[in-house]
Amino acid sequence: DAGVIQSPRHEVTEMGQEVTLRCKPISGHNSLFWYRQTMMRGLELLIYFNNNVPIDDSGMPEDRFSAKMPNASFSTLKIQPSEPRDSAVYFCASSLSGGTYEQYFGPGTRLTVT
Amino acid sequence: DAKTTQPPSMDCAEGRAANLPCNHSTISGNEYVYWYRQIHSQGPQYIIHGLKNNETNEMASLIITEDRKSSTLILPHATLRDTAVYYCIVRASSNTGKLIFGQGTTLQVKP
Repeated sequence: DAGVIQSPRHEVTEMGQEVTLRCKPISGHNSLFWYRQTMMRGLELLIYFNNNVPIDDSGMPEDRFSAKMPNASFSTLKIQPSEPRDSAVYFCASSLSGGTYEQYFGPGTRLTVT
Repeated sequence: DAKTTQPPSMDCAEGRAANLPCNHSTISGNEYVYWYRQIHSQGPQYIIHGLKNNETNEMASLIITEDRKSSTLILPHATLRDTAVYYCIVRASSNTGKLIFGQGTTLQVKP
C-alpha cells in the first residue's frame, strides 16, 4: 500500500496567487481529513469528508479556503488568493469511517507564501 | 471531546523504557484514549488506542488507570528513532473521526 499521497511536497508562491494542494487517500478508506500545522497554532483540523461529503468545515479559516472531494480517490484544498499567513504544512489523512479506526497521515505539503 | 494535559518535554536514555503520562480527568464513558506521534518533518503516526483495558501492540503499551482519568504510554526500549512529539487525544467512538491535537510531549531519546 502506497499510503496517503500528497502533492506537491513543497510549494512556494507569491501573495495573491491561487494554490491547489492535492491528496490521494488510501484505497478503501472513506474518510478524509485536511489539517494545517504551524508553530503558533499547532496541528489543527480544517475540514473532513465522509464518503466524499464534507461533514465539518468549521476549521476552515475563511472563504479564501475551499476543499473538494470529487471522488473517493482524490481531494483538493484550494487557497485563493493566498496570503503570507497561510504559510504552513498541510497534511491530508484518511481512515475507515465510524468506530475507532485510526487515521493515516500523508507526508504533508509545505506551503510558503511570500 | 475531553481535554488532555501532557508535560511539554521529557528525556529518556536509549534502551530504557520511556513512560509518557497523560491526564484526561474529564473523560466520558464512551471516549477512547489515542496516542499519535510526529517525528520531525513527517506526518503524525498512529501508535495505539484503548478504552479501559491496558493495550499492547508492536510499538507500545498503553496503561489506563481504573478511573480512566489518566494514562501512560510506554515505549519499552526507546531508540533514537523514537525521538518525536507524542500526542495524547481522547475521542468518542461516535465521533466520525475528528482528532483534536494538543501541544503534546516532546520526547528526546539520548544515547
